[in-house]
Amino acid sequence: DAGVIQSPRHEVTEMGQEVTLRCKPISGHDYLFWYRQTMMRGLELLIYFNNNVPIDDSGMPEDRFSAKMPNASFSTLKIQPSEPRDSAVYFCASRPNNNEQFFGPGTRLTVL
Amino acid sequence: GENVEQHPSTLSVQEGDSAVIKCTYSDSASNYFPWYKQELGKGPQLIIDIRSNVGEKKDQRIAVTLNKTAKHFSLHITETQPEDSAVYFCAAKKNNDMRFGAGTRLTVKP
Repeated sequence: DAGVIQSPRHEVTEMGQEVTLRCKPISGHDYLFWYRQTMMRGLELLIYFNNNVPIDDSGMPEDRFSAKMPNASFSTLKIQPSEPRDSAVYFCASRPNNNEQFFGPGTRLTVL
Repeated sequence: GENVEQHPSTLSVQEGDSAVIKCTYSDSASNYFPWYKQELGKGPQLIIDIRSNVGEKKDQRIAVTLNKTAKHFSLHITETQPEDSAVYFCAAKKNNDMRFGAGTRLTVKP
């Protein structure tokens, strides 16, 4: 398996623009997680899905953030409109119905 | 909710020496404790984990110990090598809630 796949790897955009980050989890994994990593706040859980259903989105910082998982092999994290303080590395992770969780390579987002 | 504290934030050792990173957690119901290694420009990679019914686990040069009573766990790396240089994160998980420590930047000097 290729592991968790994320795209794009880098995104530079201007304030106010819409940003969409994409994730393909490992096949067969029931859980999918979106994290944000910054120097100031470390790794923060934004939202996670179980069997494509959002379970806990309490980590989503604002209404500007939304996430979807239309099927078992694809998820998106959207920021609209983006702001400079959204600049961070966004990680997607997945795991099967046990404990071991695997991270993707991340998307480095820069909002100018 | 769970609170995970990790120390030290930076650690520098000489090649061949041992490195120890310590974490504490607050929720006694947490039952799974993974350690991740993150290299520059990459995502965190699981290197070892331990469940609450085990006190110690070893995999070659790395080992993890867990003290449930004191609610702390540690990562031990022996015979460190320059390629061990990275940021290491501990985490504590209860149900589907996994909380991460702030990370330790380990530098192994050749």
